[in-house]
Amino acid sequence: KAGVTQTPRYLIKTRGQQVTLSCSPISGHRSVSWYQQTPGQGLQFLFEYFSETQRNKGNFPGRFSGRQFSNSRSEMNVSTLELGDSALYLCASSLEGAGGYGYTFGSGTRLTVV
Amino acid sequence: LAKTTQPISMDSYEGQEVNITCSHNNIATNDYITWYQQFPSQGPRFIIQGYKTKVTNEVASLFIPADRKSSTLSLPRVSLSDTAVYYCLVESGGPSGGGADGLTFGKGTHLIIQP
Repeated sequence: KAGVTQTPRYLIKTRGQQVTLSCSPISGHRSVSWYQQTPGQGLQFLFEYFSETQRNKGNFPGRFSGRQFSNSRSEMNVSTLELGDSALYLCASSLEGAGGYGYTFGSGTRLTVV
Repeated sequence: LAKTTQPISMDSYEGQEVNITCSHNNIATNDYITWYQQFPSQGPRFIIQGYKTKVTNEVASLFIPADRKSSTLSLPRVSLSDTAVYYCLVESGGPSGGGADGLTFGKGTHLIIQP
């Protein structure tokens, strides 16, 4: 079966711009969560969506937002980009987002802000 | 969610069995223990998950003692391709598996396999 697909794979943006990243979960998975990974901070949770509703949110500024569509595909948006937003952004899908199922991660989108 | 503690790094050789231990003293009754593997510039990959005693799949075994305050990931006969970062996580078994903070990743264990 197809895995979690993230697009684009690489992205270069200028400070102040905004960016939208896309994630297509495994078919049938209703939970999609987003993570930011940097060398300094490691993997940090951004937010989770379940059946089009944001269920959990990490400790990130309001410039980071997301949404989930009725087909479970999800997008995350970062507005007014800063140099520190350069990171690998990972999306993970899960059947229910509950224990016992585990999460499947995509390969990520490498965002570079210049 | 329970905080996890695992070694920052480990070295081993091809063909050896590698055991990585993780402590999670504050694990809750409905929490699961999950291990992920991550290669550079890729997303973490689910390896194994367990609740108690022993779980085995085609790539690893997970040993969990009765008190569940620790767990050990066992990789049999490692190869160079097993060089990666391994994360131990505690996942809530509740309706929102990651809890209010999502999945909490620590620094992980950087496993280096030498020929």
